[in-house]
Amino acid sequence: KQEVTQIPAALSVPEGENLVLNCSFTDSAIYNLQWFRQDPGKGLTSLLLIQSSQREQTSGRLNASLDKSSGRSTLYIAASQPGDSATYLCAVRSDTNAGKSTFGDGTTLTVKP
Amino acid sequence: GAVVSQHPSRVICKSGTSVKIECRSLDFQATTMFWYRQFPKQSLMLMATSNEGSKATYEQGVEKDKFLINHASLTLSTLTVTSAHPEDSSFYICSASRAASADTQYFGPGTRLTVL
Repeated sequence: KQEVTQIPAALSVPEGENLVLNCSFTDSAIYNLQWFRQDPGKGLTSLLLIQSSQREQTSGRLNASLDKSSGRSTLYIAASQPGDSATYLCAVRSDTNAGKSTFGDGTTLTVKP
Repeated sequence: GAVVSQHPSRVICKSGTSVKIECRSLDFQATTMFWYRQFPKQSLMLMATSNEGSKATYEQGVEKDKFLINHASLTLSTLTVTSAHPEDSSFYICSASRAASADTQYFGPGTRLTVL
């Protein structure tokens, strides 16, 4: 059974800092890994999708890496802004088991002005 | 492309009533749709997997008679919460993909259900 862990559970940083969010998973038989952002009371916004054959993806100030063999992914946010404050979820999609996705519990980020 | 919609976005109902939530893939045909539930301050938990034209597969602990899932077409799946109770109040999110596993999942915006 796939288990996804995100560390830290919460993070508070001053504006302008670079930061890294971590996601680890126990079963390396994955199809892809996806990072989402969720604002309070809202749905999911997809940030980056990394296929199992890829090592990283970049979008603007965001960079996500994937090391499938070690079961780890990181989301790097450069020059953080107060608008980045949200909960960040990583989801791992299995390449077996009917393609189910397993979500981590998320990291709640607060960027202070 | 690859947009998934949900309707309604928010619903409030009385205890004991049934509520239907729709999940639609707007610009692609979804062979497989997934339904998730998210309780406050918790992550998303998969409830069931539905494939077009066949019965849904429910995760352990999810009551299939309470959460009725229908995936009658390649663009529509519905989740009906029967005889809803306050403990069913949650955020329900669907996702859709073209194939069972060899494709990206596209997530809907979610439906917030409040049972009074």
